[in-house]
Amino acid sequence: AQSVTQPDIHITVSEGASLELRCNYSYGATPYLFWYVQSPGQGLQLLLKYFSGDTLVQGIKGFEAEFKRSQSSFNLRKPSVHWSDAAEYFCAVGDVYNFNKFYFGSGTKLNVKP
Amino acid sequence: IAGITQAPTSQILAAGRRMTLRCTQDMRHNAMYWYRQDLGLGLRLIHYSNTAGTTGKGEVPDGYSVSRANTDDFPLTLASAVPSQTSVYFCASSDQAGANVLTFGAGSRLTVL
Repeated sequence: AQSVTQPDIHITVSEGASLELRCNYSYGATPYLFWYVQSPGQGLQLLLKYFSGDTLVQGIKGFEAEFKRSQSSFNLRKPSVHWSDAAEYFCAVGDVYNFNKFYFGSGTKLNVKP
Repeated sequence: IAGITQAPTSQILAAGRRMTLRCTQDMRHNAMYWYRQDLGLGLRLIHYSNTAGTTGKGEVPDGYSVSRANTDDFPLTLASAVPSQTSVYFCASSDQAGANVLTFGAGSRLTVL
């Protein structure tokens, strides 16, 4: 069965420090992969997506993610975190055979220390 | 600004009452979805619609119904609300031409007492 695991429920980093949020998935083929960000009281906003090609994808707000097929992972990274990055981050898998099927991780809440 | 509008933003409801959450999109997306978000559980799909006139059940459909009379609107109805339906509800849409990307509304926070 398809699933998405975000092993870190909460992460706290200092402003200016680097960030890596982990995401592992279970899927029978290479899926479409997404990272969404949710600020408090808001809906989810797409940060970046991977469909094919270069396994390192760039997104908005200085985020990037790397698809590693051998590890079934799609970790999100940012070299220097800003206080405004404090939010909840969701990894998601899109079914390549059904464009309307998505599987979400349970989210990682990021706190940023001044 | 193109996007998804949800209403109400927040609602407190007595158990047993009927409630409809409204969702309207202006992007002409084919597919629409209703998710609920609960702490520690992420987003769970309630119902979806691939196109106007069709609907389908998601992961947690019990106690909810939807309709899709046209492309733009996708209301979610709780026929008789129960406290376990206290949650934040998100409407979303996607278009195959837009390569599987979900666009979300700002959410409706529902409290059932």
